[in-house]
Amino acid sequence: GENVGLHLPTLSVQEGDNSIINCAYSNSASDYFIWYKQESGKGPQFIIDIRSNMDKRQGQRVTVLLNKTVKHLSLQIAATQPGDSAVYFCAENPSIQGAQKLVFGQGTRLTINP
Amino acid sequence: NAGVTQTPKFRILKIGQSMTLQCAQDMNHNYMYWYRQDPGMGLKLIYYSVGAGITDKGEVPNGYNVSRSTTEDFPLRLELAAPSQTSVYFCASRHRVDQNIQYFGAGTRLSVL
Repeated sequence: GENVGLHLPTLSVQEGDNSIINCAYSNSASDYFIWYKQESGKGPQFIIDIRSNMDKRQGQRVTVLLNKTVKHLSLQIAATQPGDSAVYFCAENPSIQGAQKLVFGQGTRLTINP
Repeated sequence: NAGVTQTPKFRILKIGQSMTLQCAQDMNHNYMYWYRQDPGMGLKLIYYSVGAGITDKGEVPNGYNVSRSTTEDFPLRLELAAPSQTSVYFCASRHRVDQNIQYFGAGTRLSVL
């Protein structure tokens, strides 16, 4: 079955540095991927998404990279700020059509040190 | 717009009790979803709905039931609460098939003792 996982469960970076959060997936049929940010006591909040026909997509201070050859997804956050401290989840969807039954990874806790 | 609203925020149940977790969205979204999140884990899909009157099972449906009588509401029912159902429950909604982002509520934290 589908398996979405993360290389590191925790990540600490200095404020102002860039951070990279990694995610591995196993379902080669997945054609849509999404990153969510979850702050303590809150629901997941959309950050950025990417379709499988793309290698890279940029947002405001965030970039998602997709490597289909090795089934790897990463989220880059530039110039991290204290407000970036949260748990970050990647999720995959086997098909961009239909009901979108997302499969979530375990999550990575990002801590920003002052 | 309030977005996705979940009630209650917290609840403690005794084993064998039943309850309904409420979820409402005011964005006129067709798709709605229920997830559970166990400590230190990602979200797992319990049930979903593609529109009023239509529901289907997700990855972990056992012990739960849902209904979708209106576009706005998607309640989740626990009939005989078990300790294994201790979790945080999130409801999400999405507009339609060509719009991919799911919007989440703030969650309901449920403990079954």
